Amino acid sequence: GAGVSQSPRYKVAKRGQDVALRCDPISGHVSLFWYQQALGQGPEFLTYFQNEAQLDKSGLPSDRFFAERPEGSVSTLKIQRTQQEDSAVYLCASSLETTNNQPQHFGDGTRLSIL
Amino acid sequence: GQNIDQPTEMTATEGAIVQINCTYQTSGFNGLFWYQQHAGEAPTFLSYNVLDGLEEKGRFSSFLSRSKGYSYLLLKELQMKDSASYLCAVRSPNTDKLIFGTGTRLQVFP
Repeated sequence: GAGVSQSPRYKVAKRGQDVALRCDPISGHVSLFWYQQALGQGPEFLTYFQNEAQLDKSGLPSDRFFAERPEGSVSTLKIQRTQQEDSAVYLCASSLETTNNQPQHFGDGTRLSIL
Repeated sequence: GQNIDQPTEMTATEGAIVQINCTYQTSGFNGLFWYQQHAGEAPTFLSYNVLDGLEEKGRFSSFLSRSKGYSYLLLKELQMKDSASYLCAVRSPNTDKLIFGTGTRLQVFP
């Protein structure tokens, strides 16, 4: 597709379950970012990949959060032993390169609800 | 610390002009972005400023003053479809992550 694709669009899980969220970036985009967006707030940075290398994971809230991008294209964000405070929209963004005026292009997000 | 401030809500009338302000205090700066986000949808890129001054793009303009840590987004000839949240974001020079404000929810009335 032409844009960033995320799946599933919605995910409901019980507290304690593990979840996996997928991101298909725009073809050829080197950089990939994950953000978490709470209701009524701006997105907050979680982690950043350049190709397959995870260069910054300083925003991951705990060691229950894990992200990978093994072949430098599709990325997965995994949350283990989910908690209610993990309920949010998880946005993925990609950019051609992280220089100058290249904007990040966002997917529609995965809305995660933990019961 | 990192701090980006923008008004929570604004209202305006169709056909009017509205200015959304953003002030920032960040440990580094590598450009400022404005995004539009409709409810339940992806943020979409509107504008980018890295040097002081005004960038114009159709009905939308964005201004930056780095010395004042200040930017604004100007929307002209408002349309009903402009009702959305507008996000101001500063790009970090070290990792290129975006640091977002809380967003300004704009409602346009007929």
